[in-house]
Amino acid sequence: DADVTQTPRNRITKTGKRIMLECSQTKGHDRMYWYRQDPGLGLRLIYYSFDVKDINKGEISDGYSVSRQAQAKFSLSLESAIPNQTALYFCATSDPRRSGGAHTQYFGPGTRLTVL
Amino acid sequence: SQQGEEDPQALSIQEGENATMNCSYKTSINNLQWYRQNSGRGLVHLILIRSNEREKHSGRLRVTLDTSKKSSSLLITASRAADTASYFCATDALYNYGQNFVFGPGTRLSVLP
Repeated sequence: DADVTQTPRNRITKTGKRIMLECSQTKGHDRMYWYRQDPGLGLRLIYYSFDVKDINKGEISDGYSVSRQAQAKFSLSLESAIPNQTALYFCATSDPRRSGGAHTQYFGPGTRLTVL
Repeated sequence: SQQGEEDPQALSIQEGENATMNCSYKTSINNLQWYRQNSGRGLVHLILIRSNEREKHSGRLRVTLDTSKKSSSLLITASRAADTASYFCATDALYNYGQNFVFGPGTRLSVLP
């Protein structure tokens, strides 16, 4: 979905390196999310933000941090990457006001991160 | 453990057949949603069914919801090779403030030509 973009699309890094994944959206949604996907485990929520001043931890926030620079931008950082953070990372947005109160998620194309 | 659990984990059928996937969940919900993911790509929203609805249709998709059994099913009729993807249910929990939108592990559907 071109309305939610993620950069980079692929990244290989080494253990201990700091890495930032970026997400931008043109949907005008207030809510933004970061998920990781591992084979057989579905998607797990890392962090979510309801607006620029609101940041909340999700199910698996340890080892990650986020920054909501603007309504349209939400970045995810790995301060010191480790191999078990190798995964697919997805950014998503939602706007319950436009979905009849539902948290319907609109996903970016994903970032494939490999930590060696 | 996860709120939503799909069953089966993998399903292989011939083109033209119907595909049925099931989802079970644990807590009370506002709605349940189904998403599709083509290999390695972002999830795409397919259909939403609210807790006060029992069945919903969208094209070749039919979703049912049984809140007494805390289960839902997704039926894809007259499947096509292009339906090959992973399908996820996601539950939007009652009194959800964003953190209780939970995805199941998914069902991998293969439609053979």
